[in-house]
Amino acid sequence: AQKVTQAQTEISVVEKEDVTLDCVYETRDTTYYLFWYKQPPSGELVFLIRRNSFDEQNEISGRYSWNFQKSTSSFNFTITASQVVDSAVYFCALSGTVFTDKLIFGTGTRLQVFP
Amino acid sequence: EPEVTQTPSHQVTQMGQEVILRCVPISNHLYFYWYRQILGQKVEFLVSFYNNEISEKSEIFDDQFSVERPDGSNFTLKIRSTKLEDSAMYFCASRQGHSNYGYTFGSGTRLTVV
Repeated sequence: AQKVTQAQTEISVVEKEDVTLDCVYETRDTTYYLFWYKQPPSGELVFLIRRNSFDEQNEISGRYSWNFQKSTSSFNFTITASQVVDSAVYFCALSGTVFTDKLIFGTGTRLQVFP
Repeated sequence: EPEVTQTPSHQVTQMGQEVILRCVPISNHLYFYWYRQILGQKVEFLVSFYNNEISEKSEIFDDQFSVERPDGSNFTLKIRSTKLEDSAMYFCASRQGHSNYGYTFGSGTRLTVV
């Protein structure tokens, strides 16, 4: 079965703190893709990253970084020096390549950054 | 940058009425999807559409739902007889190809059934 687990329902931090959002997945596919999306209060889904299962290199984009560990089936997302504008719900998602190509979303982590 | 456009952004309808949600995918995309998000919950897959037919659908996508691409540009989701529990945000998405291509999501239609 395909499944994405985001165990952290809500995280609150103060501005400038670093924060890590956890994501654990399950899949039967040997080739798959992992995603992170941001959903601000306005409701749209903002694409952050897509990672191929064969590419385990960590990625950094500005204050954002992602740690993909196939051995533990995890794809964690870290925001460095958080800002109030980072307040949103963050979803991790998985898509397969053989059995299905639909996106399976986790339940999301609500991040609140206080000034 | 090309966008997926959804209209209307918000629709209020009475229980039992039919509603059609509209999406204009990116023009060279071939795969189309509808997702649903009940308020405060996760985003759930409804249906995928390729080559003018449904390629996969979820348990949520029952006989009350249908999709079509009537004119080669619009991609619509119809709910025949809305229920209160259909109130949700509906997202349309498209992809240029299978697997190795990213999804582009529209900004969503918030459907409120009263």
